[in-house]
Amino acid sequence: GQNIDQPTEMTATEGAIVQINCTYQTSGFNGLFWYQQHAGEAPTFLSYNVLDGLEEKGRFSSFLSRSKGYSYLLLKELQMKDSASYLCAVPAGNKLTFGGGTRVLVKP
Amino acid sequence: DVKVTQSSRYLVKRTGEKVFLECVQDMDHENMFWYRQDPGLGLRLIYFSYDVKMKEKGDIPEGYSVSREKKERFSLILESASTNQTSMYLCASSGDRLQPQHFGDGTRLSIL
Repeated sequence: GQNIDQPTEMTATEGAIVQINCTYQTSGFNGLFWYQQHAGEAPTFLSYNVLDGLEEKGRFSSFLSRSKGYSYLLLKELQMKDSASYLCAVPAGNKLTFGGGTRVLVKP
Repeated sequence: DVKVTQSSRYLVKRTGEKVFLECVQDMDHENMFWYRQDPGLGLRLIYFSYDVKMKEKGDIPEGYSVSREKKERFSLILESASTNQTSMYLCASSGDRLQPQHFGDGTRLSIL
């Protein structure tokens, strides 16, 4: 089966950097997704990592280490609009298993 | 741009009623999913479908059924609604299990 762990909540200051960690245990690895979800809205896709290393997309980067069962999402130059929940998810057959989400609060 | 449309944003029903939640996607995706999301419990998969008339149980199928008669439409049915089914329901679709899922805006369902 799948088991995914991520911190429940993090707080950071506008302009700073925040790193959201995700550890997973899965039988058969097929990549890892990150989603962003603002309060009351649907999740939206941020990134998909299948190979080890860092992938950068503007202010957001995602890192994967398959040997360690570990990923992180790095948010740089934080803006108030980045206040949201961030979900990591791993494929399992035809479905995705989601972590509980990390709620990030950006303060002025 | 992928569009996943859920029939209602907010819905209020009574205990014992049969409730239908509808979801339509416009990208010819094979896979469609129904989740519920509750505070502290995250996203939990109820049912999914990987083809017309095909369905598979997710993690919490009890009290729910689904219907996929056409590729673009996936319906979630609460056979006899109960108060513990008050939740946010999210529909999603994807073209392949390794492609991102695209979510609808969600239906906030209250069972009184």
